[in-house]
Amino acid sequence: KNQVEQSPQSLIILEGKNCTLQCNYTVSPFSNLRWYKQDTGRGPVSLTIMTFSENTKSNGRYTATLDADTKQSSLHITASQLSDSASYICVVSDSYNNDMRFGAGTRLTVKP
Amino acid sequence: DARVTQTPRHKVTEMGQEVTMRCQPILGHNTVFWYRQTMMQGLELLAYFRNRAPLDDSGMPKDRFSAEMPDATLATLKIQPSEPRDSAVYFCASGLVADGRRTNTGELFFGEGSRLTVL
Repeated sequence: KNQVEQSPQSLIILEGKNCTLQCNYTVSPFSNLRWYKQDTGRGPVSLTIMTFSENTKSNGRYTATLDADTKQSSLHITASQLSDSASYICVVSDSYNNDMRFGAGTRLTVKP
Repeated sequence: DARVTQTPRHKVTEMGQEVTMRCQPILGHNTVFWYRQTMMQGLELLAYFRNRAPLDDSGMPKDRFSAEMPDATLATLKIQPSEPRDSAVYFCASGLVADGRRTNTGELFFGEGSRLTVL
């Protein structure tokens, strides 16, 4: 079983709408969690990083939350734009070996 | 503008041929990763190096895949012989990761990928 599970697998929304992507993990001991955005045909690019003591962090229209007790994170996108169409990948690192575990990603499509 | 450089960007080859993919990590980064991405499997870790030493290559089919870092500026991933099931996008990523058990928040910087098609 993957230690990082993302949902939904894919999502289609209309331009201007908000959406929330979920990431549940079992990685332990927890070090940090990153959200990456991967445009089609490109490599992933880091959006935000959440450490154990952080609950919320924003990067423009992207807001990530972390609940370390329930081992859940979400990525909220506000006022979506066509350029938000991409895959969003959750990556969780453990503090023992610094190993990174990748989720399978959520494929977001924003339609005009 | 520091970035990870991968070559080739695209490669089409026939089954049985040798394929070599190259990666130039960002100068000063001490960790290099090779990932394979397919629609079905997402991103799979193949191998990673820290300070040029291979730390984990358990995700790599050893009978046909090999990964090396001949020096700090070059990482290679070789497939010999290639098979159609190897068709995927191969990503290299580099980062500055703390050694040992210290907590690190190192970001990974990915290259643009090498798209491999084995016919």
